[in-house]
Amino acid sequence: KNQVEQSPQSLIILEGKNCTLQCNYTVSPFSNLRWYKQDTGRGPVSLTIMTFSENTKSNGRYTATLDADTKQSSLHITASQLSDSASYICVVSAAGGSYIPTFGRGTSLIVHP
Amino acid sequence: GAGVSQSPRYKVAKRGQDVALRCDPISGHVSLFWYQQALGQGPEFLTYFQNEAQLDKSGLPSDRFFAERPEGSVSTLKIQRTQQEDSAVYLCASKEGEKLFFGSGTQLSVL
Repeated sequence: KNQVEQSPQSLIILEGKNCTLQCNYTVSPFSNLRWYKQDTGRGPVSLTIMTFSENTKSNGRYTATLDADTKQSSLHITASQLSDSASYICVVSAAGGSYIPTFGRGTSLIVHP
Repeated sequence: GAGVSQSPRYKVAKRGQDVALRCDPISGHVSLFWYQQALGQGPEFLTYFQNEAQLDKSGLPSDRFFAERPEGSVSTLKIQRTQQEDSAVYLCASKEGEKLFFGSGTQLSVL
């Protein structure tokens, strides 16, 4: 069964600090992995997409990594800001015609001033 | 509009009442998904449309849930005889390539 596990479940950090969120998946065959940011009361918004051949991809202060061998991804946030407070959801899509991506439960990040 | 639009934004229903939730996807997007998101959880798949065809409804929790997309654009998720456990945010997403574009959701509270 395709699964996506995220850790930690929640995280509290001080403004300006860095943090790393983890995503482990068992989706196979792998197509791509996306990180979404979901602000409170809003729908998720895509931050970055990782395909099989990509190891690292950055989007401003967000850097995603992918290790397709160990089936792990991380999202690193640098110099956190209050506006980074949100839920971060890892979503993995399978290749071969499966059209339903598998969602993780998300990591809730709170950035304190 | 430029994004996925959902209405109403909030819905309070008495137990046993029927509700209808609307989704306007991004124009031209063929694929449309409905998700249910409980507080503090990730979105859970409900159903999937490709144009007007409902290709997968395996995530619908019971036969009280019904979704349609008769003309391949606007979609409606209907919940009959609502129960307290139906309280959640219902998200709609349309898809372009591998990217999902989500609406802001409808927060349903069943009293």
